[in-house]
Amino acid sequence: EIQLQESGPGLVKPSQSLSLTCSVTGYTITSGYDWSWIRKFPGNKMEWMGYISYSGSTNYNPSLKSRISITRDTSKNQFFLQLNSVTTEDTATYYCARWGWYFDFWGPGTMVTVSS
Amino acid sequence: DVVLTQTPSTLSATIGQSVSISCRSSQSLLDSAGNTYLYWYLQRPGQSPQLLIYLVSNLGSGVPNRFSGSGSGTDFTLKISGVEAEDLGVYYCMQATHAPNTFGAGTKLELK
Repeated sequence: EIQLQESGPGLVKPSQSLSLTCSVTGYTITSGYDWSWIRKFPGNKMEWMGYISYSGSTNYNPSLKSRISITRDTSKNQFFLQLNSVTTEDTATYYCARWGWYFDFWGPGTMVTVSS
Repeated sequence: DVVLTQTPSTLSATIGQSVSISCRSSQSLLDSAGNTYLYWYLQRPGQSPQLLIYLVSNLGSGVPNRFSGSGSGTDFTLKISGVEAEDLGVYYCMQATHAPNTFGAGTKLELK
């Protein structure tokens, strides 16, 4: 069974970087699909942030393009989100998910609060 | 970016009632190859979103057939024919025809 699990700090200070890990089991991330980050803000708004493909190419939401980086460690079957220069508006629950024709597998999500 | 407008924002229903959620797009979601990348997801309380419908009207794996999707162009509808208690949560439409993928603001389904 394919499972995704997010991990990382739950609290980040403004102007710092947010770094999250998505650990994937049951499927090798280099075998196929795009591996995505999505976030849900307080109040239900959802935003697709970007993905890293099975080949290692990346695609980002233009609204985040100057601040976001998605990388991976294929030896650990993990991919990562880094979001720089965070503000309180980046407070959200962050999800990693697999995209083929749709988001079929999601992690449970991790809540990140940006606060001093 | 494509804006998806979902209505209503909140829906109160009794068990067994049939309900519909509308999703209207700021531009056509039909691509040049004739595909329409419109999806519906349900996020139950405390859970991550799960796929209900893909490509407008195709039922996701394991999704009960009381869920159905329809529409074309800019107007889409999710129908639940006989709400059950497990259907409560927030419903989102999402489009992937035009980059970047965007979501509707969500429709919260509550028990009346």
